[in-house]
Amino acid sequence: GEDVEQSLFLSVREGDSSVINCTYTDSSSTYLYWYKQEPGAGLQLLTYIFSNMDMKQDQRLTVLLNKKDKHLSLRIADTQTGDSAIYFCAETPGSGGYQKVTFGTGTKLQVIP
Amino acid sequence: DTAVSQTPKYLVTQMGNDKSIKCEQNLGHDTMYWYKQDSKKFLKIMFSYNNKELIINETVPNRFSPKSPDKAHLNLHINSLELGDSAVYFCASSRTGAGVETQYFGPGTRLLVL
Repeated sequence: GEDVEQSLFLSVREGDSSVINCTYTDSSSTYLYWYKQEPGAGLQLLTYIFSNMDMKQDQRLTVLLNKKDKHLSLRIADTQTGDSAIYFCAETPGSGGYQKVTFGTGTKLQVIP
Repeated sequence: DTAVSQTPKYLVTQMGNDKSIKCEQNLGHDTMYWYKQDSKKFLKIMFSYNNKELIINETVPNRFSPKSPDKAHLNLHINSLELGDSAVYFCASSRTGAGVETQYFGPGTRLLVL
């Protein structure tokens, strides 16, 4: 079955860049997502990338995809204390029909003022 | 206006009891989901409904029974609650359930079984 792995924890200083990494096993993954979960809340979609792209930039967020290595990363520039949250990588096969989204194990980002 | 709402927000109950969690979305979406997030924050899909019909059913004990009276509601009934059912349950919805779509999540229901 599909497997999506992330490191559990990342700590950075305010103003630095954060890089959150994700690896997945499903070679048919077509859409890859990054969701953010703030304490006590549900998940919110941050950004997504199609598998035919290798980079996507959206303001402070940069997503890099290495399809050969099945590796996805999320870079947050100028990390702020409000970025402290759990970040989930997710993927869908996109093979048509209804999609099941498989979420990663989540990376807790702690931003130190 | 709350897009995806769940009730109750907290639920504390004894082992063996039966309980229900309700979910409603006002986004006009066709597809709704239930996820379980365990104490390690691992998030796993349980069920998905499209226009009141079951489309995803992961390996979930029969004690869990989803019910969708209409496409705006997806309730989760749990029979004979066990300690291992303690988790945060998230409801979510998406427009069609196909392709790349944002899933909109509810705030979660924190279930504690004693």
